[in-house]
Amino acid sequence: LAKTTQPISMDSYEGQEVNITCSHNNIATNDYITWYQQFPSQGPRFIIQGYKTKVTNEVASLFIPADRKSSTLSLPRVSLSDTAVYYCLAASGGSYIPTFGRGTSLIVHP
Amino acid sequence: EAGVAQSPRYKIIEKRQSVAFWCNPISGHATLYWYQQILGQGPKLLIQFQNNGVVDDSQLPKDRFSAERLKGVDSTLKIQPAKLEDSAVYLCASSILAGETLSEQFFGPGTRLTVL
Repeated sequence: LAKTTQPISMDSYEGQEVNITCSHNNIATNDYITWYQQFPSQGPRFIIQGYKTKVTNEVASLFIPADRKSSTLSLPRVSLSDTAVYYCLAASGGSYIPTFGRGTSLIVHP
Repeated sequence: EAGVAQSPRYKIIEKRQSVAFWCNPISGHATLYWYQQILGQGPKLLIQFQNNGVVDDSQLPKDRFSAERLKGVDSTLKIQPAKLEDSAVYLCASSILAGETLSEQFFGPGTRLTVL
C-alpha cells in the first residue's frame, strides 16, 4: 500500500487555479490515485481518479507524470465553496485498505 | 438516488457504556466500509464488508468494537465498552464493488460520538 504525503495546508484566492501535489513514492504498478474532498461535518466526496497522464472531469483535473511517484490535483478558478480538506489515496482494487492521510486543508479567501 | 443513511447523527455517552451505530448503504452497493475519523485527522478504515463477508478488519479494535452486515445490506457497528479515546465521527461508506477497478466510495453524513 503506497504511503501518500501532501502539504498540510494551502491558501488561495477566489478565481485562482489551485494545484495540490501528492507524493506517493512507493506506488505499486496497479495502484490508482484517487482524490476526495471533505467539508466540515460531512463525509468525504469523490472528486477524481486516475492511473496515468491526465484525467479531467467537470470539477478538476488530475496530472500524473510517467514515473507515477506523484500526482497533482488541479482546481480551476476556485471559489469560497472550494474551502475544504482534500485527500489523496493511492491503492489498488480488490482487497485493499483505503488509507486516508491528514489531507490538505485548502482555504480560499475573497 | 438516495445516499448512504446513518443514524444517529449524534450520540453522547459515558465511558464504559455501550453504543451502536446503524448504516444503510446505497441500494445495490456490494461493498460497505466503516471509518473512524478523529478531529483533525483523515478517516481510518475500521472494517470493510463485501456483501455479508468481511474483507478486512485489521484495524478494528476487536476487544471492544464489533460490526455485522447480516443480510448483505445494512450494517451495525457497536462499541462495548466505550473509552474516552473513542470520541470521533464514525463514517459509513459504500461502493458498487471493490474489484479490479477501484470503485468510488459514497459516504454518509457520519455519527458524532462523544464519550465523557
